Amino acid sequence: DAMVIQNPRYQVTQFGKPVTLSCSQTLNHNVMYWYQQKSSQAPKLLFHYYDKDFNNEADTPDNFQSRRPNTSFCFLDIRSPGLGDAAMYLCATSRVDNEQFFGPGTRLTVL
Amino acid sequence: AQTVTQSQPEMSVQEAETVTLSCTYDTSESDYYLFWYKQPPSRQMILVIRQEAYKQQNATENRFSVNFQKAAKSFSLKISDSQLGDAAMYFCAYKGVYGGSQGNLIFGKGTKLSVKP
Repeated sequence: DAMVIQNPRYQVTQFGKPVTLSCSQTLNHNVMYWYQQKSSQAPKLLFHYYDKDFNNEADTPDNFQSRRPNTSFCFLDIRSPGLGDAAMYLCATSRVDNEQFFGPGTRLTVL
Repeated sequence: AQTVTQSQPEMSVQEAETVTLSCTYDTSESDYYLFWYKQPPSRQMILVIRQEAYKQQNATENRFSVNFQKAAKSFSLKISDSQLGDAAMYFCAYKGVYGGSQGNLIFGKGTKLSVKP
C-alpha cells in the first residue's frame, strides 16, 4: 500500500545532541511537510517542500533544518535539541491541490 | 489570514448514538477545501472527510457526514451510530486552493471525542 513512513517511531536524545528524523513516501507526492505536535495541541507547521523548493515558516526556530534529497525522502534535523523540543513530529505529503496524508509520527524525548 | 475555530474542546457520546462536532472558519477566499481529520490515541492523523467549497452538496463517507454552510462559514461533522473506535481527537482544517503558503493546512485546536459503551 502507498504510504508515508517515519523512522524511528521513538527517538531519545540528550540535551544539545543533534538528532535526525526521517520520512519517506511511496505516494509520489510533490509536497512534503514537517509538523511539530505537542500534547493535546494541533500540529504546528515547521516547513514544507514543494518539489525541491524549501519553504520555512516564519516562526520556525533556526535550530530546525530540513533536507529533501529526492522525491521520496525528507529529513528533519534538530541541531541542538532543548527540553522544549520534546514533541511528536509528523511528516505529511500531498499533491498540490489535494489533502495531506500523514505518517505515524516520531515521538522525540529529550533528556 | 484564515482562521479555524473549534469551540468544543471535549465531547462525549453514547455508543450507537449520533454526535455533531462544530467548526467555523474565516476566509475572504471564495474557493477552498475543508477537511476533518481524526487522530486516535495511537496518534496517526487520518483523513475522515473532505469538502470542496464550490460543491453545494454535503460530503458523506459512510457514518460520517458534514453540514457545510458556506455563507455562515460553518463546517460541522456528524458521526452517526458512534462506535468505540471513533474515540479520538478530531481536527477541522482549512486549505486554500492556491500554492505556496496559501495551500497549507490551517488547523483548529481540536475536539476530543469520548465514546461511552
